[in-house]
Amino acid sequence: ETGVTQTPRHLVMGMTNKKSLKCEQHLGHNAMYWYKQSAKKPLELMFVYNFKEQTENNSVPSRFSPECPNSSHLFLHLHTLQPEDSALYLCASSQLDGQGANIQYFGAGTRLSVL
Amino acid sequence: GQNIDQPTEMTATEGAIVQINCTYQTSGFNGLFWYQQHAGEAPTFLSYNVLDGLEEKGRFSSFLSRSKGYSYLLLKELQMKDSASYLCASMDSNYQLIWGAGTKLIIKP
Repeated sequence: ETGVTQTPRHLVMGMTNKKSLKCEQHLGHNAMYWYKQSAKKPLELMFVYNFKEQTENNSVPSRFSPECPNSSHLFLHLHTLQPEDSALYLCASSQLDGQGANIQYFGAGTRLSVL
Repeated sequence: GQNIDQPTEMTATEGAIVQINCTYQTSGFNGLFWYQQHAGEAPTFLSYNVLDGLEEKGRFSSFLSRSKGYSYLLLKELQMKDSASYLCASMDSNYQLIWGAGTKLIIKP
């Protein structure tokens, strides 16, 4: 148990569906992250929230829409996805204060398949 | 540009020692991380190096050379449960992690 919980663990959706991924952290951290992990490729940072403010958006297509209502919860809203969006989506949290190691703690991920 | 290189796959024998290398090139540098990821599970933090030298933590050690842009993870007394992917990541000047593609370590009896 890493203190970061993601739901659902698995998701299959059609290209016209709308779904949301949820992440919750119980570590008291101030920063939360969405990553995409595809087979044999590096983790791709999608979004960063620091104190609920979005500080990074790495050219992610608008069909991915993040939401951070408070420092413990993070959502990723999905709509009109493409088959190439099939991947493992990982959420992480850390204490980001410009000092120290900024160790990120990860959830187990949501395995997404787009048909 | 920013780049992290590590071998795609390595094989080792139970009880032996294995060294996984990582070279990095990032915009600014605030430390080097190693994570372990078992199939279908979350990446878990193993080590963090920001100064040159060797950090030992039980059976696992991590080394950093900032001048060479080089790190390695050393695993001793290998156990079957060490079969996993090992991810190297460099923290850049914005405190964000730049990741390698991971090294899949296969342990044979």
